[in-house]
Amino acid sequence: DQQVKQNSPSLSVQEGRISILNCDYTNSMFDYFLWYKKYPAEGPTFLISISSIKDKNEDGRFTVFLNKSAKHLSLHIVPSQPGDSAVYFCAARDITSGTYKYIFGTGTRLKVLA
Amino acid sequence: DAGVTQSPTHLIKTRGQQVTLRCSPKSGHDTVSWYQQALGQGPQFIFQYYEEEERQRGNFPDRFSGHQFPNYSSELNVNALWLGDSALYLCASSLARTGRETQYFGPGTRLLVL
Repeated sequence: DQQVKQNSPSLSVQEGRISILNCDYTNSMFDYFLWYKKYPAEGPTFLISISSIKDKNEDGRFTVFLNKSAKHLSLHIVPSQPGDSAVYFCAARDITSGTYKYIFGTGTRLKVLA
Repeated sequence: DAGVTQSPTHLIKTRGQQVTLRCSPKSGHDTVSWYQQALGQGPQFIFQYYEEEERQRGNFPDRFSGHQFPNYSSELNVNALWLGDSALYLCASSLARTGRETQYFGPGTRLLVL
């Protein structure tokens, strides 16, 4: 049962254009969402996060949008750069047991074309 | 500022053997979580350690066990290795009292079971 879904395994975007990566979730108890970027042979690197009480968070070229009613979040990268080419993971924090754990999606491979 | 470190970087074992992986958290962090990332998948939560105790556990068998030391470093032990245990094992650290508890990942240990 995949509680966090990234339905697009890959995405190609021209340099300078907008990249939009999507993530859907099923558990309404998730209270915090994060995006990570992963290069080959490295661990995931934290990019940006959003609390469930907000609908938008912006950090430089990266903006995360949260639509709680649709249980959907998206990461926008504007403008996209070749160095953004990596695998992007969406993660959600599950606090139903009193402590927490993070549930990850399967990732979307972004390729930014020069 | 030292980030999360893991050792070894690569490991080859045979079925039935036991393995121990090590993690040193980011300076100042007190919580360590372990993840298994199979090829083409997102990281799967194994367990989390805080104050030298297992605080939360994912859906992994008892063959997977861990430990946290007083200096917050941690070990992941896997007994009776299966071929299916071949994966990238990621350690992530965080600081419990921040409330957000954003996790920072190490580069991982790639385990191959033959």
